[in-house]
Amino acid sequence: DAKTTQPNSMESNEEEPVHLPCNHSTISGTDYIHWYRQLPSQGPEYVIHGLTSNVNNRMASLAIAEDRKSSTLILHRATLRDAAVYYCILRDKGGADGLTFGKGTHLIIQP
Amino acid sequence: EPEVTQTPSHQVTQMGQEVILRCVPISNHLYFYWYRQILGQKVEFLVSFYNNEISEKSEIFDDQFSVERPDGSNFTLKIRSTKLEDSAMYFCASSIREGRGTGELFFGEGSRLTVL
Repeated sequence: DAKTTQPNSMESNEEEPVHLPCNHSTISGTDYIHWYRQLPSQGPEYVIHGLTSNVNNRMASLAIAEDRKSSTLILHRATLRDAAVYYCILRDKGGADGLTFGKGTHLIIQP
Repeated sequence: EPEVTQTPSHQVTQMGQEVILRCVPISNHLYFYWYRQILGQKVEFLVSFYNNEISEKSEIFDDQFSVERPDGSNFTLKIRSTKLEDSAMYFCASSIREGRGTGELFFGEGSRLTVL
């Protein structure tokens, strides 16, 4: 799977929007962009995924750059419960089955 | 909401002992996975399983590890002779369809293994 680059940590205030960036300049045409998060002492949790178009679900929005070399996970109104490590992962449809987790971004939410 | 369940939540064992970690995937899922996370480190892929056989494994998943789906509901990870470095949190995951590309994985809460 192609490599992704994320900031080590970010801090935001409760009830404000959060934009988590991810760079993936070597992304291939068949790579899907996935986001997972891991709350403290829990297993990873799927957040959202997309290929080319922006995506929305009940948890978040995913904004994908036109050249697909970067993407942004958007939490519209952060709560304390959103404090977690967020992982941006590329999944090639024809490639390996297992997810390759990086170090992710540690999101800190201030009350 | 359906969830992946894992037992035990915590197991302490002596080095050299065999350990079996158990998982009950979501009932209509077809693809099953084990991951591990050593304290303070990244989540690492171990193995994926489909149609009663291993479909992919990492270099971590050596001859000391094995997986089984003995009864159509449980999915187990066995470590034959535990080593100190096997101490980690082990996560089971399942997916309704193949993980490649679009498949969404559902993870359990994990089983913490401590090897003394």
